[in-house]
Amino acid sequence: GAVVSQHPSWVICKSGTSVKIECRSLDFQATTMFWYRQFPKQSLMLMATSNEGSKATYEQGVEKDKFLINHASLTLSTLTVTSAHPEDSSFYICSARDPGSGGENTGELFFGEGSRLTVL
Amino acid sequence: GQNIDQPTEMTATEGAIVQINCTYQTSGFNGLFWYQQHAGEAPTFLSYNVLDGLEEKGRFSSFLSRSKGYSYLLLKELQMKDSASYLCAVMDSNYQLIWGAGTKLIIKP
Repeated sequence: GAVVSQHPSWVICKSGTSVKIECRSLDFQATTMFWYRQFPKQSLMLMATSNEGSKATYEQGVEKDKFLINHASLTLSTLTVTSAHPEDSSFYICSARDPGSGGENTGELFFGEGSRLTVL
Repeated sequence: GQNIDQPTEMTATEGAIVQINCTYQTSGFNGLFWYQQHAGEAPTFLSYNVLDGLEEKGRFSSFLSRSKGYSYLLLKELQMKDSASYLCAVMDSNYQLIWGAGTKLIIKP
């Protein structure tokens, strides 16, 4: 099946620094990728929808200047947590829909491995 | 508003059968997904239902009733490795996924 790869899996950084997380679709082209945040024992919270070649669409309450999203190619989207603080520590997960498995909007959604961010 | 309800936690015995229910109220419907998520890992796809009825895939089956806004995931011959959270998600009329909070399934020997 289709594969989405996310890197890094783990990252520890000091408060005030910026962290970049990459999400790649390895064997399909994804015009749209999704970024989620998940707190312990809670479900996924959609942060933003990343659109190739255009600006990301952020969910209400998500600071676009803090969580920078770039979707420069059909296989790569990046999430940069700028000036990270301890409250940004979380599990960040990306996903992409494989149009080949059902269509642009209804194809199967594949998730990256997730990136656990710890801000000291 | 849009809402997905599923039990917070369930416990079952190894070898038994368990049914995890999901009810939903969304603006439009373009399908319902079930995902499995082990602790500390990303979700993995289990099933997709867009028409009423039962979809069987090995030990796992998923049922949908659109008129009732209801789905269930049925797990048979439970194994210890099935201990995980099971997430129900509905795709609304804008093709946005609305996620439930997940059901933590605990399997006991």
